[in-house]
Amino acid sequence: GQQLNQSPQSMFIQEGEDVSMNCTSSSIFNTWLWYKQDPGEGPVLLIALYKAGELTSNGRLTAQFGITRKDSFLNISASIPSDVGIYFCAGQPGGSQGNLIFGKGTKLSVKP
Amino acid sequence: DGGITQSPKYLFRKEGQNVTLSCEQNLNHDAMYWYRQDPGQGLRLIYYSQIVNDFQKGDIAEGYSVSREKKESFPLTVTSAQKNPTAFYLCASTADRGHEQYFGPGTRLTVT
Repeated sequence: GQQLNQSPQSMFIQEGEDVSMNCTSSSIFNTWLWYKQDPGEGPVLLIALYKAGELTSNGRLTAQFGITRKDSFLNISASIPSDVGIYFCAGQPGGSQGNLIFGKGTKLSVKP
Repeated sequence: DGGITQSPKYLFRKEGQNVTLSCEQNLNHDAMYWYRQDPGQGLRLIYYSQIVNDFQKGDIAEGYSVSREKKESFPLTVTSAQKNPTAFYLCASTADRGHEQYFGPGTRLTVT
């Protein structure tokens, strides 16, 4: 079935650093969504993208729907300690009215 | 306040017992979903329902059952046939399949 490749799997941040992560697919997607999950909690929707090339911000977070419709990027600027958690991408494959497919997540931790 | 509630937050059961997890939403969403999350894994779809009195199997439906008698409620039963029931279970809903899904806080089930 369809799969989303999310990278990196994990990364360490130092307060104040900018962070980037991405999701790619071998086929086109209609929708890209980005979620954040804190330990023991449900994922919270951060940004939703519906159009190729779309660039949307939510505070220090910016996400883009790739022009090829096969990828999406999430950037976090000037990271703060509460940014730690797991970030998931999700999308609806193009040409389908089907359910969302989720990436396996990028785990953000604080540098020791 | 509109949202999705799941109860209880933590659930402990003995092997061989069925257990039912609750999910309620007051967002007036038609579609509801159940996902399973294991450590370091993404979200795997168990069952989903697009409308009252109708539901479909997801990718890992074996050992689970659901009902959708009311629009607001989508309970999940983990049966004794589920080989590895210990996991974090997430319920979600959406107004439009393939678009933004909103998640509940999750139920952590431990079976010993």
